Amino acid sequence: KAGVTQTPRYLIKTRGQQVTLSCSPISGHRSVSWYQQTPGQGLQFLFEYFSETQRNKGNFPGRFSGRQFSNSRSEMNVSTLELGDSALYLCASSSTGGGATYNEQFFGPGTRLTVL
Amino acid sequence: AQSVAQPEDQVNVAEGNPLTVKCTYSVSGNPYLFWYVQYPNRGLQFLLKYITGDNLVKGSYGFEAEFNKSQTSFHLKKPSALVSDSALYFCAVRDDYGGATNKLIFGTGTLLAVQP
Repeated sequence: KAGVTQTPRYLIKTRGQQVTLSCSPISGHRSVSWYQQTPGQGLQFLFEYFSETQRNKGNFPGRFSGRQFSNSRSEMNVSTLELGDSALYLCASSSTGGGATYNEQFFGPGTRLTVL
Repeated sequence: AQSVAQPEDQVNVAEGNPLTVKCTYSVSGNPYLFWYVQYPNRGLQFLLKYITGDNLVKGSYGFEAEFNKSQTSFHLKKPSALVSDSALYFCAVRDDYGGATNKLIFGTGTLLAVQP
């Protein structure tokens, strides 16, 4: 099976612009989560989708949003970019919904966003 | 709230020697614990998990971890380190916010450096 794919791998934007990142989960996985990784804050949870529904959201401003499509692919959008949004954005997918049955998440290679 | 702590920013070990990367946890119920590894400019790779069962968990690439409930620890171990094991290691715990979720809470990471 192909792993989690994320596009683009690298992105350079300027302050005030918006950006959309894409994630394709492993085939058959319906759960997709997004994380932000920075040297200062480490790995922080952004949001989680399961069967097109957002069911958990991290402590990020409303400029960060996401969605999931019927084929389980997910996108996240950041509007009005700030310098502090520069980070590695990681997407993860899982075969289970995170209830009583729990399987590990598999991560994509990430999208490196640089805001100038 | 669930949390994990990795008390060491960096661990140095000589090739061929055993290695230990420490992790302690704080949870309100039964812990779902994980170890992930990250190589430079890459996403996170799953190593192993503890959900229930034997306290000694075996994972990928010869790694294992010991779940210790009395000490609330989940240390990662390998009997003989390789230079190629040099990477950033993350301990994580599944969040328990009251609903089904795949959200992980990560430790701050430990950089493992294996000297030849």
